[in-house]
Amino acid sequence: DVKVTQSSRYLVKRTGEKVFLECVQDMDHENMFWYRQDPGLGLRLIYFSYDVKMKEKGDIPEGYSVSREKKERFSLILESASTNQTSMYLCASSQTRYREWRSPLHFGNGTRLTVT
Amino acid sequence: AQSVSQHNHHVILSEAASLELGCNYSYGGTVNLFWYVQYPGQHLQLLLKYFSGDPLVKGIKGFEAEFIKSKFSFNLRKPSVQWSDTAEYFCAVSREYGNKLVFGAGTILRVKS
Repeated sequence: DVKVTQSSRYLVKRTGEKVFLECVQDMDHENMFWYRQDPGLGLRLIYFSYDVKMKEKGDIPEGYSVSREKKERFSLILESASTNQTSMYLCASSQTRYREWRSPLHFGNGTRLTVT
Repeated sequence: AQSVSQHNHHVILSEAASLELGCNYSYGGTVNLFWYVQYPGQHLQLLLKYFSGDPLVKGIKGFEAEFIKSKFSFNLRKPSVQWSDTAEYFCAVSREYGNKLVFGAGTILRVKS
């Protein structure tokens, strides 16, 4: 069974801090994704990666960056956290070939980030 | 821009009632369609998917969905809900060979026992 592990379940950070959210998958999946989930807005794609060191912007990349140095690990970085980045962050992986989007996404349990 | 609309944000049903959750999308070409579910305290998981063929697809736990191309819809149904179906349900759509999967806003279903 695919396991996607997010390093923290809850995080509380101060405005202006640099924040790292870590995600690891154990199924050798090519693609990894970062979404944020907000009530009434569903899931919005921040960034995704289809290979090591490769990344593409999603719908809401502003204020975020990502790093994928190893296939199993995909990090989301908030360069200078702001209160409007308070949200639930979900990592996902899939075996879908790039731009094919048919394999299901496997999600982690999420990290609830509060920025004060 | 491609968008996905889920008609109801909150639905409350009694056990054994029938369920239908609406999902409409805006893109007119070939699409891949999904329903995901998030049970309380758990991660999102795939409920069912449609790529081509029979427009009535069956998923896990007795759920099914019907793709109606002329209506750009992919509604989720279950004939008789159980208390354990309490969850948030997300419709998601991608274009064939598109570059992203777009999720709807979600529908929170509460089933009263």
